[in-house]
Amino acid sequence: GDSVTQMEGPVTLSEEAFLTINCTYTATGYPSLFWYVQYPGEGLQLLLKATKADDKGSNKGFEATYRKETTSFHLEKGSVQVSDSAVYFCALSATNSGGSNYKLTFGKGTLLTVNP
Amino acid sequence: EADIYQTPRYLVIGTGKKITLECSQTMGHDKMYWYQQDPGMELHLIHYSYGVNSTEKGDLSSESTVSRIRTEHFPLTLESARPSHTSQYLCASTRTVTGELFFGEGSRLTVL
Repeated sequence: GDSVTQMEGPVTLSEEAFLTINCTYTATGYPSLFWYVQYPGEGLQLLLKATKADDKGSNKGFEATYRKETTSFHLEKGSVQVSDSAVYFCALSATNSGGSNYKLTFGKGTLLTVNP
Repeated sequence: EADIYQTPRYLVIGTGKKITLECSQTMGHDKMYWYQQDPGMELHLIHYSYGVNSTEKGDLSSESTVSRIRTEHFPLTLESARPSHTSQYLCASTRTVTGELFFGEGSRLTVL
């Protein structure tokens, strides 16, 4: 079945440091890939997505590239801020036999803490 | 900004009580989902629905039940709450094509 493996946390960085959170996946077919972020006390919200190989998703300074050859979708940011402190989830959505995406498979989440 | 709402945000109840967590969305999404999030952050799909009068159990077995009588409404019910049900419950919905989920802010349930 489909699965997502992401880097275990917690990750603690100083402000302006470089961030990488690794994510690899296993899926049949051609999944869409997502990064979601959950700020303290809130639900998840979409951070970025990529729907086909070599696509790069980007938002708020975060980037991730869909690498089919390595089945990866690593999240990166060049300079993190205290406000980036949150839990980050990698997820995939695989098309079912009917041709419509129906549910996401999530990784276990990575807690990021950024200190001033 | 997503228009999906959950109530209550926080609930503390005693063992044996019946509770209903409400979830409503105004986006006309046909697919809706309930996730249980444990203290370790991991998300577990417990119920989903592809449309009115359609409900399915998710990957994690749950004693809760759901109903989908209207497109915009997807309530979750626990007939007799137990301390093991203490958790955060997240509701989500999606349009058919992209698979992107929109989440509510969650309902944090504590059963004493």
